[in-house]
Amino acid sequence: GAVVSQHPSWVICKSGTSVKIECRSLDFQATTMFWYRQFPKQSLMLMATSNEGSKATYEQGVEKDKFLINHASLTLSTLTVTSAHPEDSSFYICSGGRGTDTQYFGPGTRLTVL
Amino acid sequence: AQRVTQPEKLLSVFKGAPVELKCNYSYSGSPELFWYVQYSRQRLQLLLRHISRESIKGFTADLNKGETSFHLKKPFAQEEDSAMYYCALSRGSSNTGKLIFGQGTTLQVKP
Repeated sequence: GAVVSQHPSWVICKSGTSVKIECRSLDFQATTMFWYRQFPKQSLMLMATSNEGSKATYEQGVEKDKFLINHASLTLSTLTVTSAHPEDSSFYICSGGRGTDTQYFGPGTRLTVL
Repeated sequence: AQRVTQPEKLLSVFKGAPVELKCNYSYSGSPELFWYVQYSRQRLQLLLRHISRESIKGFTADLNKGETSFHLKKPFAQEEDSAMYYCALSRGSSNTGKLIFGQGTTLQVKP
């Protein structure tokens, strides 16, 4: 099966700093990747669609200036949480597919903002 | 608006008992429905999708367009089935891979 990795798996940062999370498709090319956010004991909420070579599209209510997405290659998408605050603390998960609806999920990144 | 509803947060059954995890959806077009599973400390993984009509690990799910439901069933639960189950909807080929998730149901299978 296809594998998606995320780095880092856990990050702690101070309020006001920026944090970059990487999402890589290890054995396939993904023209589209998706970023989700998951609060404790809650479901995944789609944040944005990352498109290789073009701008990301954001879901309603998600601040694009806050959550910067870059999909510079067919195997890498990055999510940068800018000027992070404690309310941004969450579990961030990415997914990618091979052109079908089946999505392969990364293991997630836990962000803690102090 | 597209929505996926899983009414049960927790479903607890004994080993060998039948299991049914409920999922209802709201979508005006032709949705594709999925069940994803997340075992403890593992990533989310696909369990089954309605278009493939497969039975995975003994689980089946039938899309009922009249009732807008996609309930997940297994006749005899096993302890290793204990996990978090998410029902998800994809808005078809124009939004490939973009999933809307239900709230999730924790299945607890007791020995």
